[in-house]
Amino acid sequence: GEEVAQTPKHLVRGEGQKAKLYCAPIKGHSYVFWYQQVLKNEFKFLISFQNENVFDETGMPKERFSAKCLPNSPCSLEIQATKLEDSAVYFCASSQSSGHDSNQPQHFGDGTRLSIL
Amino acid sequence: SQKIEQNSEALNIQEGKTATLTCNYTNYSPAYLQWYRQDPGRGPVFLLLIRENEKEKRKERLKVTFDTTLKQSLFHITASQPADSATYLCALNTGNQFYFGTGTSLTVIP
Repeated sequence: GEEVAQTPKHLVRGEGQKAKLYCAPIKGHSYVFWYQQVLKNEFKFLISFQNENVFDETGMPKERFSAKCLPNSPCSLEIQATKLEDSAVYFCASSQSSGHDSNQPQHFGDGTRLSIL
Repeated sequence: SQKIEQNSEALNIQEGKTATLTCNYTNYSPAYLQWYRQDPGRGPVFLLLIRENEKEKRKERLKVTFDTTLKQSLFHITASQPADSATYLCALNTGNQFYFGTGTSLTVIP
């Protein structure tokens, strides 16, 4: 598609439950990025993919968080045993490049608001 | 790691005036810097990109400057309109990651 599609728009989970978020990148974009926006405007990089391969995962918490981008499927971000501090808006973006030595912008979805109760 | 600071969290200006937003970064300079606009409940939308060897870039009423000596980028909106009210984010890449500033919330008062 022509837009990055994130689902669901809102997700509510009880503490300790699993949460799974989905992202369909723009067709033809090789790179997918996940960000966490906890406070109003602080974006934290989590992980990036080049096609189905992890490109950079230095921002991913070591425990509980995992992500995948499989062929012919939306990318996903999964949080196991959610905690209150996982409450945030999670944004997905896609791009034609990784960003390094390139000038391709990132195209963002409208995010998934995750609320942990 | 890279740290990015944007001037004041909120900026209010009168319609028709020029809004100037500041983005300062630490550590080494990126190859390029981008500016995005974010409206409430939406994802950021790309506006402009400026490369390290460019001093200035313009697009319609938008102007971006990039001073690698000062480690600063300025974002200007001339003849501002209420529809320009939004949060503006600067972003730069180092290596494989993008780092975003905390954003400046701009309100253009009619």
